[in-house]
Amino acid sequence: AQSVTQPDIHITVSEGASLELRCNYSYGATPYLFWYVQSPGQGLQLLLKYFSGDTLVQGIKGFEAEFKRSQSSFNLRKPSVHWSDAAEYFCAVGVLGGSNYKLTFGKGTLLTVNP
Amino acid sequence: DGGITQSPKYLFRKEGQNVTLSCEQNLNHDAMYWYRQDPGQGLRLIYYSQIVNDFQKGDIAEGYSVSREKKESFPLTVTSAQKNPTAFYLCATGDFAGANVLTFGAGSRLTVL
Repeated sequence: AQSVTQPDIHITVSEGASLELRCNYSYGATPYLFWYVQSPGQGLQLLLKYFSGDTLVQGIKGFEAEFKRSQSSFNLRKPSVHWSDAAEYFCAVGVLGGSNYKLTFGKGTLLTVNP
Repeated sequence: DGGITQSPKYLFRKEGQNVTLSCEQNLNHDAMYWYRQDPGQGLRLIYYSQIVNDFQKGDIAEGYSVSREKKESFPLTVTSAQKNPTAFYLCATGDFAGANVLTFGAGSRLTVL
């Protein structure tokens, strides 16, 4: 069965610093990969997705992620963090089984941004 | 506006009572999902439905039930058999016309007293 690991439960960075959130997945084939962001008490918003092709994908709010098949990783990056980026971030893998499709999520990384 | 409406946003119930959470969408998406979120646990899949009148159990279906009588609606019932029902519940829809992306509602927080 597929799984997603986000090794960092909580990360604190200073505003203006660079950011990298780690994500490792376990799946036999090439997966669909996603990063979502959640503000407290809200639903999830899609940041970016990878299906195939260029392994560096650009998303909203200045985020990007790189798919590395050899490392089974899909790390999220941002060159300069803003205070408004403080939120919880979830990595997910999409799996198609027959005619059924579902997303499996990691446990999330909480990002705190210091002024 | 197109979107997903979850109601109620907050719900309090006594132990032993069944509760039903509503999820309505006007995105014309075929698939609908229910996830449960607990602190530090991420999102766990309860039930999902790819088409009307059909649904599948997710990873933590015990103590929950669903129906899919209309494309727009996918209500979730939390039964008294669910041992620890207090959680944040998220409904999502899926459009697979080349996207395979899930769109989420704003969630419903259930507290069982």
